[in-house]
Amino acid sequence: DAEITQSPRHKITETGRQVTLACHQTWNHNNMFWYRQDLGHGLRLIHYSYGVQDTNKGEVSDGYSVSRSNTEDLPLTLESAASSQTSVYFCASSERRDNEKLFFGSGTQLSVL
Amino acid sequence: GESVGLHLPTLSVQEGDNSIINCAYSNSASDYFIWYKQESGKGPQFIIDIRSNMDKRQGQRVTVLLNKTVKHLSLQIAATQPGDSAVYFCAENRGTGGFKTIFGAGTRLFVKA
Repeated sequence: DAEITQSPRHKITETGRQVTLACHQTWNHNNMFWYRQDLGHGLRLIHYSYGVQDTNKGEVSDGYSVSRSNTEDLPLTLESAASSQTSVYFCASSERRDNEKLFFGSGTQLSVL
Repeated sequence: GESVGLHLPTLSVQEGDNSIINCAYSNSASDYFIWYKQESGKGPQFIIDIRSNMDKRQGQRVTVLLNKTVKHLSLQIAATQPGDSAVYFCAENRGTGGFKTIFGAGTRLFVKA
């Protein structure tokens, strides 16, 4: 079965370190997204991509970057981790751009100490 | 401002009863709505969707109602089961131009045995 997987499931890092969270989908979807989920804020969009070599900023993109070199993967990089980036991160993909039914991964719990 | 919100942050129901989760939206240009279910430790999972040219759509034990006049969306779960305990999110898709899916804050559903 097609799926979307994230790794690692849990990550602890120190302030100032660079961290990369992996996202891999086998749906063959062109559209991929990164969200963070925090109490009181729900799901907030970080970055998204509509295809290879395409990346776009979401509403909370500061301090994050993504790259899309193939259809399957959209890694999320925290350039210099900050405590404010402690959160649960979800990757998602969708088949259509006008009907953005999202398929989510299981999430990565990131703690920045 | 524009928002997608929920009337009740928590809902507790008896097993076997019907559940109704409500959601308000403010953008009349939104043309597509989705309900997601998120169980503890997992990513959100698609439940049901509805387009703005419909006012009701039924799935297995779930029904979504859309009232465009008052910009209101509801999710009805029939014969609620313990496995329905989760956080439920409504999401609003605003159509053209970039990524336009906006999530509500979520409602936690507790099912009492």
